[in-house]
Amino acid sequence: DSGVTQTPKHLITATGQRVTLRCSPRSGDLSVYWYQQSLDQGLQFLIQYYNGEERAKGNILERFSAQQFPDLHSELNLSSLELGDSALYFCASSVQGAGGDEQYFGPGTRLTVT
Amino acid sequence: GQQLNQSPQSMFIQEGEDVSMNCTSSSIFNTWLWYKQDPGEGPVLLIALYKAGELTSNGRLTAQFGITRKDSFLNISASIPSDVGIYFCAGPTGNQFYFGTGTSLTVIP
Repeated sequence: DSGVTQTPKHLITATGQRVTLRCSPRSGDLSVYWYQQSLDQGLQFLIQYYNGEERAKGNILERFSAQQFPDLHSELNLSSLELGDSALYFCASSVQGAGGDEQYFGPGTRLTVT
Repeated sequence: GQQLNQSPQSMFIQEGEDVSMNCTSSSIFNTWLWYKQDPGEGPVLLIALYKAGELTSNGRLTAQFGITRKDSFLNISASIPSDVGIYFCAGPTGNQFYFGTGTSLTVIP
């Protein structure tokens, strides 16, 4: 158990809908990262937050947004969902959010868009 | 964009054999991380490397940070069935974090 929690574990929704994925980092970690892993794809970095502020942005679509709250949990919002958005979404956390930080991953949310 | 290439893409080995895999990049990395991912689970950190030339062990796993800072190697000795999974290298460059293409390991009892 990495100490990172994600909810829900599974989510099934229809195209065009909007969903929110939630992540709680390890105790003491200030930084949260979001990743997407599609079938047969590696992990694609989406976005990073550090202590409530956006720190880095990767291949995140405009239909997706995220935020980190004062209690350091984070939410990833996916809107106008398309079939291609079906994937595993992982959250990771690290202490400082610096480049060399070790990231610890949650169990993931499996999103299925039908 | 940045790409971390891992080889081999997949491996099928007998239990007890040693395994070697590597990761190469077109850019210099100052940190290399190795993760293992079981199906449907999140990646688990195995080893972290912070210095060129560094050799670090974690049980039967040994990883090295290449001198050029553009590659890293992971070795698993005396493989066991629970070593099955996908192994990823990863690292930061600039303000981005990249994962390798993965090496899928199958251990035959």
